[in-house]
Amino acid sequence: DQQVKQNSPSLSVQEGRISILNCDYTNSMFDYFLWYKKYPAEGPTFLISISSIKDKNEDGRFTVFLNKSAKHLSLHIVPSQPGDSAVYFCAAHFTSGTYKYIFGTGTRLKVLA
Amino acid sequence: DVKVTQSSRYLVKRTGEKVFLECVQDMDHENMFWYRQDPGLGLRLIYFSYDVKMKEKGDIPEGYSVSREKKERFSLILESASTNQTSMYLCATLGGGRGSSYEQYFGPGTRLTVT
Repeated sequence: DQQVKQNSPSLSVQEGRISILNCDYTNSMFDYFLWYKKYPAEGPTFLISISSIKDKNEDGRFTVFLNKSAKHLSLHIVPSQPGDSAVYFCAAHFTSGTYKYIFGTGTRLKVLA
Repeated sequence: DVKVTQSSRYLVKRTGEKVFLECVQDMDHENMFWYRQDPGLGLRLIYFSYDVKMKEKGDIPEGYSVSREKKERFSLILESASTNQTSMYLCATLGGGRGSSYEQYFGPGTRLTVT
C-alpha cells in the first residue's frame, strides 16, 4: 500500500513559467513533509519542508502548500529554470517515536529553455 | 555542511557474491539509513541505525544485513547477491541542517549491478 503517492511520473514546463508538483498521502498521522530534488547519478538533496501545523512554507522560488483535509501537498517553483530539471520526491514523516520516512515514487520535471 | 560519502559510485558483482557497501558521515549524527531506489518505486528503506551497534529493519530487509561498529560508518551487506538486488543504493544521515532537524542528508549513491 503506497502511503505517499506522486501520480505524475513526469512534467514538462517552459522556462519562466510555474511548475507545480503534487503529492498525496493517506495517513493523517504524518506531521512533517519534505521535498527532495535528485539529479541523475547523485543523491537526493533537501529542498524544502513543511510541518503539519502550517499550510504554506516559502523559500525563494520554492513554495510548498499543505492541505491537510485533502491529504495533499504541492511544490510550486516560480519561475522555473532549466537547472530545476530533476526528479522530485516528496516524503512524509511521523516526528514522534519513529525514524521512518515514506517517500513517493518521484516526478521527473523537465524545464524547457 | 554535512558530508555523506559512499565507497563506490558504480559496482558490478556476480550472483552469489558477498557485497559490502560502505557509508561514512562526518557530522557525528546518531541516525543513519540505507535505501534503495528503483524506477517507479521511489526510495524504500532497507535498514536504519540510531546508534552504534543498534539497528532496525526497514520495509525491505530481506537479503541484506548491516553493521555499525563506529558512529560515522554504516555498512550494508548483501550476503549473497542476486540479480533482483540490482539497484541504486543510497545512504542517508539525519541531522539538523537548514532549519530542520528532520532533514535527511544523502550520499551520492552506489549503482550496483548484479550479473
